[in-house]
Amino acid sequence: SQKIEQNSEALNIQEGKTATLTCNYTNYSPAYLQWYRQDPGRGPVFLLLIRENEKEKRKERLKVTFDTTLKQSLFHITASQPADSATYLCALDIPGGSYIPTFGRGTSLIVHP
Amino acid sequence: EPEVTQTPSHQVTQMGQEVILRCVPISNHLYFYWYRQILGQKVEFLVSFYNNEISEKSEIFDDQFSVERPDGSNFTLKIRSTKLEDSAMYFCASSEDDPQNTGELFFGEGSRLTVL
Repeated sequence: SQKIEQNSEALNIQEGKTATLTCNYTNYSPAYLQWYRQDPGRGPVFLLLIRENEKEKRKERLKVTFDTTLKQSLFHITASQPADSATYLCALDIPGGSYIPTFGRGTSLIVHP
Repeated sequence: EPEVTQTPSHQVTQMGQEVILRCVPISNHLYFYWYRQILGQKVEFLVSFYNNEISEKSEIFDDQFSVERPDGSNFTLKIRSTKLEDSAMYFCASSEDDPQNTGELFFGEGSRLTVL
């Protein structure tokens, strides 16, 4: 079955630095990969989607890359701020053609002032 | 900005009782979903709903679960006989388009279910 792997250890960085989060997957290649932000006790909020034929996507301070050879996506937040502190979830479509997002466990990002 | 709303925000129930969680998706959205998140674990897919029927369900979504769109706005999740392991945050989500096209889901703030 498809596995989605995100670093379970929290990432601690200083304000102003670039945060880089990793999402690895096994087995089949997804049609797309998404990144969501989740704050404690709240629902996930969509950030970016990248499709299998795209290498990179940007939105303001966010950048996502997608390497289907490495089976990996990197999520970057440049000029990070304490308000960026949250858990970031990677999601892929479920195998079988339904394209419904399946989530990884997420990585907690803590930006220190 | 349009949002998905869920009620109740927190429900406490006794094991074996029936629970109904309610959701109002964004008005022009056509695809609806329920996910759950057990404390400290990942967000897990339960079921998707389109055109008044279930389009996909996970192995978690067994016979004790059911979904319904009783009118033009509400989307409900019923758990018939709750178990301790059903304690979780339940998220409703909706999307405007087929996941294949846009993939973006809009989530509600969740309903926390505590089964005693």
